[in-house]
Amino acid sequence: DTGVSQNPRHKITKRGQNVTFRCDPISEHNRLYWYRQTLGQGPEFLTYFQNEAQLEKSRLLSDRFSAERPKGSFSTLEIQRTEQGDSAMYLCASSLGQGISGANVLTFGAGSRLTVL
Amino acid sequence: GQQVMQIPQYQHVQEGEDFTTYCNSSTTLSNIQWYKQRPGGHPVFLIQLVKSGEVKKQKRLTFQFGEAKKNSSLHITATQTTDVGTYFCAGTRDSGAGSYQLTFGKGTKLSVIP
Repeated sequence: DTGVSQNPRHKITKRGQNVTFRCDPISEHNRLYWYRQTLGQGPEFLTYFQNEAQLEKSRLLSDRFSAERPKGSFSTLEIQRTEQGDSAMYLCASSLGQGISGANVLTFGAGSRLTVL
Repeated sequence: GQQVMQIPQYQHVQEGEDFTTYCNSSTTLSNIQWYKQRPGGHPVFLIQLVKSGEVKKQKRLTFQFGEAKKNSSLHITATQTTDVGTYFCAGTRDSGAGSYQLTFGKGTKLSVIP
């Protein structure tokens, strides 16, 4: 499989629990993005990595959210002390960055749907 | 922060009619991309526009990037039921600082009545 892989696909958890999502990007892609999407809305940027470096993080992102990309390969997104408002689809995307105006086309994974009860 | 707005939010058309969605950014963009998300699916890349005033065509789809690089449009000629989905524009701010954050609009949901 050469696409972007995310797991788990679905996660139901109780409020206050921690959850972790994993993303395996396309192997030759050096940039990895996390987005959150709720019903009827566009993907909302959370953070992105270039190789292992986390270069940008949304100001809207709570301190309960943390993302890592050790060794510049797969990435994890952890949400601590989940709240009902965290319920959403968490999308991972990767791209082969080639400069400022070069191709930065995102290939999305199927997403991880989080439901917080 | 950068905002990307799309109109309309919803569009219902009879099969065979044309469809247009418009995208406006609060800041000048270095490039704009369009994605399509089918119901229950994830966004899939359609096209990227980089140059001021650029027009690109893909079969029945025509994409335009405004002269000021702050707006864009997607026009579909003679819609088909396979065009159903939500169309998102996404822009990268032209900050000169090499930011690669892609900001998405809220999308236009297209329904096609057979």
